[in-house]
Order: sequence, then C-alpha cells, then structure tokens
Amino acid sequence: AQSVAQPEDQVNVAEGNPLTVKCTYSVSGNPYLFWYVQYPNRGLQFLLKYITGDNLVKGSYGFEAEFNKSQTSFHLKKPSALVSDSALYFCAVRDSGSTLGRLYFGRGTQLTVWP
Amino acid sequence: EAQVTQNPRYLITVTGKKLTVTCSQNMNHEYMSWYRQDPGLGLRQIYYSMNVEVTDKGDVPEGYKVSRKEKRNFPLILESPSPNQTSLYFCASKVSRDINSPLHFGNGTRLTVT
Repeated sequence: AQSVAQPEDQVNVAEGNPLTVKCTYSVSGNPYLFWYVQYPNRGLQFLLKYITGDNLVKGSYGFEAEFNKSQTSFHLKKPSALVSDSALYFCAVRDSGSTLGRLYFGRGTQLTVWP
Repeated sequence: EAQVTQNPRYLITVTGKKLTVTCSQNMNHEYMSWYRQDPGLGLRQIYYSMNVEVTDKGDVPEGYKVSRKEKRNFPLILESPSPNQTSLYFCASKVSRDINSPLHFGNGTRLTVT
C-alpha cells in the first residue's frame, strides 16, 4: 500500500528565510512523488514531481524538493520564502499498482510566511 | 485558457434533496476524477473515469454517483445528501497516456448539507 505523511500541520517562517515542508512516504516498489499547492479559494496546482533521476527536483515558483531514498523523504524547499508562498501544500504518491497514475495525498501542511 | 470548471462554487442544501455538481474541462483529457477535502484528512478520491462511459469507485464512493457521457463533462450526483457529505469538493483531469502527468484541478465546490 502507498501512503505519504506530512508530519507538520503548520509551518511558519519569516519572509526571506529558507522554508522546508516535510513529507515522508511508504511505497511498495519505486516511489513516484508529487507536490501540489492550494491557494485560498482555489484548486490544487501542480508544483513538481520526482519520477527518476536527480534527487533534487526543481519546480514552479522557485520551489524544489529533495528525494532521499534512505530516509524515505521528499521534502519541499525554497531558499527564500515570500509572503505570497503562504498556502496549503500537499504531498502525494502515485499508486504503483494503478495503470492510471492514481495519487494518494497527504493531509496537507499550512505554510504561513510572515513579513 | 486551459481549465477545469466546477459549478456551483458554493451550495447549501437540506438532507435528502438531490443535487448535481457539474465539472467540465476543455483540455481533451481522458481521465477525470472527483475528490473531497476535509480538514485533517487531505484529499480522498470519490470516483474516477478513464474515458467516456468508463467510471470506477475511488476510496469513498458511498452516497455518490457519477456519469461520463461526454469526454469533457463529469458531473457528481448526490441522490440523497446527508450532513456527513458536507465538504469541499474538487474535480480534476489529466491525460491518460502519461501515467505521471499532473492533475489539473477546478476551484472547488463547498457543499453544506443541513
């Protein structure tokens, strides 16, 4: 069975500081991992994904994520946070048994960047 | 503009009164799906569709129906809504041929059942 865990419900960071939103995963087989962001009153938007290759994946809006197989983690990072990054972030893992690429989502982490 | 459109954005109804939430996408995507989002639970899949006339249950299908008569539309039907179906609902779509293609989401429908 596939699952992801986001251990922090909330992350608070000052503008200009680096941010990290944590995600750990549990899969049978190769992991295929995704990050989505949800701004207020909007649907989720795709940020980035790890399928294979480099452990550091770059995505939209200056975000990147580091895949760590030994720690079964896929943490989302940004070197310098902006107030506009404040949103709800979801980690997701693809169901390796699904031919359609079905995703399982974590519970979400609310990121607040204060000025 | 490529988008997934849901209507209505907000809906308040009473227990037992049938309702339909519409979803339409203009990207010619084969795959469409409905999720509900509840605090502390993240997103859970209700139903999905691989293509026209092909639908299947997700993780929480009880109390919901869907249909896929046209490629662009994927309505969610609550035949007899109950208060435990109060939630934020999202429709999403993606191409099927790329198993890792990203989902495109609508802006959500907030449903309250009293």
